[in-house]
Amino acid sequence: AQSVTQLGSHVSVSEGALVLLRCNYSSSVPPYLFWYVQYPNQGLQLLLKYTSAATLVKGINGFEAEFKKSETSFHLTKPSAHMSDAAEYFCAVNQAGTALIFGKGTTLSVSS
Amino acid sequence: NAGVTQTPKFQVLKTGQSMTLQCAQDMNHEYMSWYRQDPGMGLRLIHYSVGAGITDQGEVPNGYNVSRSTTEDFPLRLLSAAPSQTSVYFCASRPRAGEADTQYFGPGTRLTVL
Repeated sequence: AQSVTQLGSHVSVSEGALVLLRCNYSSSVPPYLFWYVQYPNQGLQLLLKYTSAATLVKGINGFEAEFKKSETSFHLTKPSAHMSDAAEYFCAVNQAGTALIFGKGTTLSVSS
Repeated sequence: NAGVTQTPKFQVLKTGQSMTLQCAQDMNHEYMSWYRQDPGMGLRLIHYSVGAGITDQGEVPNGYNVSRSTTEDFPLRLLSAAPSQTSVYFCASRPRAGEADTQYFGPGTRLTVL
């Protein structure tokens, strides 16, 4: 079965600093990978997705992620954090074309 | 285009009560699913449907029933609520069951079982 592991349940950065949220996947077939963001008391919103077209994927709000097959990773980055980026971030993999399987999430805190 | 809608937004139940969480989408999506979100657990799949009349169990189906009589609606039923079902519930849909399709989420229902 496919799965994802998010390393670090809580990440804290200063405003303007690099954001790096880690996600590793486990899959016996080429995966389709997603990053979602959840702002407080809201639903989930898609940030970006990897569908094998390009290994570097650009998303909304300045986020991007790079698919690295050799490392089975799909880490999310943003060069410069804003206060508005404070949220919970979820990595997910699409399993067998039916279920989207989520990691446990990483809460990003941004301090001024 | 309202997207995925869920009602109610909040609900408090007593142990043993039953209720139905409503979910509807107006995007003509074939695939719909229900998740529950608990602190530190991420989102866990309860049930899903790949089309009208077809449903299947996810990771945590016990205590929940679903049906899919129309493309638009996918209600989640709690037959006899338990405190362990206190959670935030999200409904989601996507165009098809394809791996690359984007999944859209509703705003959630916060359920407390006393």
